[in-house]
Amino acid sequence: GENVEQHPSTLSVQEGDSAVIKCTYSDSASNYFPWYKQELGKGPQLIIDIRSNVGEKKDQRIAVTLNKTAKHFSLHITETQPEDSAVYFCAASNAGGSYIPTFGRGTSLIVHP
Amino acid sequence: EAQVTQNPRYLITVTGKKLTVTCSQNMNHEYMSWYRQDPGLGLRQIYYSMNVEVTDKGDVPEGYKVSRKEKRNFPLILESPSPNQTSLYFCASSVPPGLAGNEQFFGPGTRLTVL
Repeated sequence: GENVEQHPSTLSVQEGDSAVIKCTYSDSASNYFPWYKQELGKGPQLIIDIRSNVGEKKDQRIAVTLNKTAKHFSLHITETQPEDSAVYFCAASNAGGSYIPTFGRGTSLIVHP
Repeated sequence: EAQVTQNPRYLITVTGKKLTVTCSQNMNHEYMSWYRQDPGLGLRQIYYSMNVEVTDKGDVPEGYKVSRKEKRNFPLILESPSPNQTSLYFCASSVPPGLAGNEQFFGPGTRLTVL
């Protein structure tokens, strides 16, 4: 089955700095890679996703890159703000086949004012 | 408002006392799942359902049961809870996987403590 590794487990940055979270996956059939943000006391919520037919996607301060050959994808947050502090999860699934998404173990991002 | 609801949000119980956590979604989604979240382990899928009366095991199904009698509801049943089932539980729903991907819509979570 799919195995998703996520690093780092904790990331501490100063407000205004950039933050990068990296994930690797094992199943070459995976073709859908979402990122979820979980704020304290809430359920995870999708913030950006990428499909295997593109290498990069941006949405304001957030971007995701995908390297299919190396089987890794990354979340980039620029100009971080205190409200970006949360736990971030990556996931991988084969959106055209088996439904089950496999999640990484999460990264706790702390943005210091 | 499109949402996934779970009840109860918090529950403290004792070993062996059967309990049910309810989950309901109002988005007419075919797919529903249950996850548990534990420190350092992330989100692990317990069971999922692709439609009414269709359920299957996820990665950590031992000690849990589910049912899907209606499209909107997907209760999680612990017949004989044990302390190792103390965890934060999330229900999620989505459209079927396809070209658009399958974004999971998560409920607010149920924190369960088994003494």
